[in-house]
Amino acid sequence: DAGVTQSPTHLIKTRGQQVTLRCSPKSGHDTVSWYQQALGQGPQFIFQYYEEEERQRGNFPDRFSGHQFPNYSSELNVNALLLGDSALYLCASSLVSALDETQYFGPGTRLLVL
Amino acid sequence: QQQVKQSPQSLIVQKGGIPIINCAYENTAFDYFPWYQQFPGKGPALLIAIRPDVSEKKEGRFTISFNKSAKQFSLHIMDSQPGDSATYFCAAVLLIGNQFYFGTGTSLTVIP
Repeated sequence: DAGVTQSPTHLIKTRGQQVTLRCSPKSGHDTVSWYQQALGQGPQFIFQYYEEEERQRGNFPDRFSGHQFPNYSSELNVNALLLGDSALYLCASSLVSALDETQYFGPGTRLLVL
Repeated sequence: QQQVKQSPQSLIVQKGGIPIINCAYENTAFDYFPWYQQFPGKGPALLIAIRPDVSEKKEGRFTISFNKSAKQFSLHIMDSQPGDSATYFCAAVLLIGNQFYFGTGTSLTVIP
C-alpha cells in the first residue's frame, strides 16, 4: 500500500519565479492538506482540498494556490517566489469519512529560493 | 499567533531516561491531540493521539497525559533509546474541517 508521495524531492528557484509541487495521497484517501515547514519550526497549514475544491485555508497569501484532480492527487503552486518561501513543503492525506482523524504525511519537497 | 505552544525546544537524556515534552493550547474547540515524530529528511509520522475526554493514553513506550482544565498535554517516552532521537511535534486539531495546528517542535537526543 503506497503511502503519500511527493515530487520533486528538492527544488531550487530564484526570486520571482513560479513553482509547482505535486502530491499523491495514500491509497483510499480523498483529502489533501498542504503545509509549509520552515527550518526549525512546526508545519504551518496552507490549505486543504476535498472533492476538488479548497475547503480550508490558513494564513497564506494568494500567491499560494492549489488544485485537486479527480484521482485525488494535488498540486501546490506558488507564484512570485520570495526568499522567505524557502521551506519544506509537506503534503498530508486523510479520509473525510473515516473515524480515524489521522493525517498521513509525505516526505516533503525541499524548496530553496535564491 | 501560535495556537499551540511547545516546550522545551531541545532535550538531551541518557538511554533509559524518560523525556517529557509539554504542549499548551488556548482554543477549547480543539478536539483531537496527536503527537508526531520526524526524522531528518522525512515527513512527520503519527506516534500517538488522544481525545479530550481521556486523561491518559499509553501505546508501547509512549504515553500522553492530558489536562483539559489546564489546557495542557504532554508526551512521555519510557525507557528512551538512541533510536528515539528525532524531532517531536504536538498538534491540536479541529476535527470539523480537519485543521491541524502544530507546535514548534522539540529536538530530542538520547545519549547511549
